[in-house]
Amino acid sequence: DAGVIQSPRHEVTEMGQEVTLRCKPISGHNSLFWYRQTMMRGLELLIYFNNNVPIDDSGMPEDRFSAKMPNASFSTLKIQPSEPRDSAVYFCASSLAGSGTDTQYFGPGTRLTVL
Amino acid sequence: TQLLEQSPQFLSIQEGENLTVYCNSSSVFSSLQWYRQEPGEGPVLLVTVVTGGEVKKLKRLTFQFGDARKDSSLHITAAQPGDTGLYLCAGARTNAGKSTFGDGTTLTVKP
Repeated sequence: DAGVIQSPRHEVTEMGQEVTLRCKPISGHNSLFWYRQTMMRGLELLIYFNNNVPIDDSGMPEDRFSAKMPNASFSTLKIQPSEPRDSAVYFCASSLAGSGTDTQYFGPGTRLTVL
Repeated sequence: TQLLEQSPQFLSIQEGENLTVYCNSSSVFSSLQWYRQEPGEGPVLLVTVVTGGEVKKLKRLTFQFGDARKDSSLHITAAQPGDTGLYLCAGARTNAGKSTFGDGTTLTVKP
């Protein structure tokens, strides 16, 4: 298996621009998670989906952030408009819910820099 | 809110030394995972423990789940520079759907 795939790996944009991060989970996994990691706040859960349905989006910072999962093999996290404080590494992870261990498998991350 | 506290936050040791990092909570978890994250990469799963009192060994790494399933420890014997990284613990509760991550322990092993 190729593991969780994220794109792009690096994104540099200017304040006010729209940013879209993409994720392809591991085939067969039914849960998908979006995290943000910074030095100050560590690893924060933004939102997670189960069977393509958003279950908990309480970690989404504000209305500028939105996430979709149109099918079992693809998800996007969009920031519009972006701000410098959004600069962070964004991780996507997937798991097989109901497997008994809830182990999450992480992608390599997207490093976002908003100037 | 379930909180997982990890200690120490930072640890810098010489190659060959032993170390233990801790993951503590007031909540009971059905399973607990340990991850290691290297710079520029995502966290990678090291081990999952599910039974209170369980001990798992992975080469020089020994993981223990507390009897009450509220805490865990990671012990590394004869640390090597390749062990350098951020160690994260994550707890999951049955049917919760998501895990709670600790803030991590940043380990540096100097040659």
